Amino acid sequence: DTGVSQDPRHKITKRGQNVTFRCDPISEHNRLYWYRQTLGQGPEFLTYFQNEAQLEKSRLLSDRFSAERPKGSFSTLEIQRTEQGDSAMYLCASSARLAGDYNEQFFGPGTRLTVL
Amino acid sequence: AQTVTQSQPEMSVQEAETVTLSCTYDTSESNYYLFWYKQPPSRQMILVIRQEAYKQQNATENRFSVNFQKAAKSFSLKISDSQLGDTAMYFCAYFGNEKLTFGTGTRLTIIP
Repeated sequence: DTGVSQDPRHKITKRGQNVTFRCDPISEHNRLYWYRQTLGQGPEFLTYFQNEAQLEKSRLLSDRFSAERPKGSFSTLEIQRTEQGDSAMYLCASSARLAGDYNEQFFGPGTRLTVL
Repeated sequence: AQTVTQSQPEMSVQEAETVTLSCTYDTSESNYYLFWYKQPPSRQMILVIRQEAYKQQNATENRFSVNFQKAAKSFSLKISDSQLGDTAMYFCAYFGNEKLTFGTGTRLTIIP
């Protein structure tokens, strides 16, 4: 297994368009996380899944954002009616239960979104 | 809510020297995990070192070690014998409530 992968790596879109990102976690990891990182900041939590269940969503995740993990494997993050403020790096991470906890997360390379 | 503070936005050090990056955090939990992640320019985030709060012993991974002061809620990273490949953004992170909370990062530059 080569780690967490994300597609696309870069996305440029016009304001008002919809975009969808994909994340493929490490195969045996049943937890999948989405984070957003703006320039000069640390990543901020958006949402996470355990298997196919979405267990928590941040207040940062407005109703224009939706995430799915339909079969408990890959996940998609869709942003509808994009705004310039959505420009950021979107990071995916996965983890497995280790010694009773899911704390160690492995990150993908991210999808850099630019909204014009 | 947990918060993580990194008060050094940028640092630079000569190759082969030792450098210490600072991190403080705030939490009311008694058991949690702390991490340092490294994010090289245009590359993905990788785990440098992990510390479990209930363990007194400071974690060490080769040239990387931490100074964990639970009562002071301080978690600094020491890099010994720094190398050019250590140039990166370093993020301190707290794992609690099933998710990571990150600091704003320290940009570390190793000077040849």
